[in-house]
Amino acid sequence: GQNIDQPTEMTATEGAIVQINCTYQTSGFNGLFWYQQHAGEAPTFLSYNVLDGLEEKGRFSSFLSRSKGYSYLLLKELQMKDSASYLCAVREGQAGTALIFGKGTTLSVSS
Amino acid sequence: NAGVTQTPKFQVLKTGQSMTLQCAQDMNHEYMSWYRQDPGMGLRLIHYSVGAGITDQGEVPNGYNVSRSTTEDFPLRLLSAAPSQTSVYFCASSYSTGAEGYTFGSGTRLTVV
Repeated sequence: GQNIDQPTEMTATEGAIVQINCTYQTSGFNGLFWYQQHAGEAPTFLSYNVLDGLEEKGRFSSFLSRSKGYSYLLLKELQMKDSASYLCAVREGQAGTALIFGKGTTLSVSS
Repeated sequence: NAGVTQTPKFQVLKTGQSMTLQCAQDMNHEYMSWYRQDPGMGLRLIHYSVGAGITDQGEVPNGYNVSRSTTEDFPLRLLSAAPSQTSVYFCASSYSTGAEGYTFGSGTRLTVV
């Protein structure tokens, strides 16, 4: 089984940089995903890491260290529209191909 | 290209009633999953499927059944609704590699009274 931990809430100001951490314990790691979810909407895919290192996509970057069971999502040049929940999810290769999610981090961006 | 379509969007059931939540995708994805989302609990996996004819249980399968007779459809059946099943239900699908991410439907908000 998995144990996925991320902070419950974070706050930041417009234009700033914020890092959302995620730690996990899993028996058969096969990829880590980050999703964004605005209130009342479906989650949308942000990033995927399966090898160690940094993946960059515009203002968003995601980092993975498999040996430490650790990932972070980095959001740069924060905008008000980035206020949302950010979900860390792990896929276990041996158990199947569905994702197991952490409880999510609610990010509030203020001006 | 509609993506992942869930119906209905809203539903109110009485305790003991049964119903089926529909999920269809037109992206020829092999993998499909059902999640429920409750405040403070995050997304929890109910059932999933790696292809037509193959299903398996997730974290919270009790009270739910699924079947996968075609690649496109993955309905979720509530056998005898209980107030504890009040939740928002999401269906998701992906290709086998998963590198492109899992695509979610818009959700079904279910209330059991």
